[in-house]
Amino acid sequence: AQSVAQPEDQVNVAEGNPLTVKCTYSVSGNPYLFWYVQYPNRGLQFLLKYITGDNLVKGSYGFEAEFNKSQTSFHLKKPSALVSDSALYFCAVRDPRGNTPLVFGKGTRLSVIA
Amino acid sequence: DTEVTQTPKHLVMGMTNKKSLKCEQHMGHRAMYWYKQKAKKPPELMFVYSYEKLSINESVPSRFSPECPNSSLLNLHLHALQPEDSALYLCASSQQDGLISPSPLHFGNGTRLTVT
Repeated sequence: AQSVAQPEDQVNVAEGNPLTVKCTYSVSGNPYLFWYVQYPNRGLQFLLKYITGDNLVKGSYGFEAEFNKSQTSFHLKKPSALVSDSALYFCAVRDPRGNTPLVFGKGTRLSVIA
Repeated sequence: DTEVTQTPKHLVMGMTNKKSLKCEQHMGHRAMYWYKQKAKKPPELMFVYSYEKLSINESVPSRFSPECPNSSLLNLHLHALQPEDSALYLCASSQQDGLISPSPLHFGNGTRLTVT
């Protein structure tokens, strides 16, 4: 079975500081990993994905994520946070070996303070 | 702006009403999805259509009835809902079947449903 954990319900960071939103996963084989962002009263927006290859993945709006197989992690990062980055962030995982749908983490609320 | 369009944006219905949610995409995507999302929770998968055929029904009650008239349209017919069905209903699409490919999901902005 596949699962994903986001250990922090809330992350607060000052504008201009680096941010990290944590995600760990559990999949038997090599995972497909995704990050999505949700702004208030909106649907989810795709940020980036890891399928294979380079462990550092770059995505939209200056976000990046690093796949770490030994720690089964896929943390989302950004070098300099903006107030407009404040939103709900979801990590998601899928085991590519089976016809199984995407599994979302519970979400992490990011607040960037000016 | 999202490329997946959902109507209506808001819907209030009584428990005896029949209503429908609509979703449209013109990106040529071949898979479409319905999700239900409660406040501050992750989206929960309800149905998946792949090439206009229902491929997943996540044990959703029969008061929710999906329909995929063509590759661009997805409907969710609602009948005899309960107050606990109040939620944000999200439609999504992906270029290929999300069950066998890493295609990301493209979400609409949802329909906020309130059942009274």
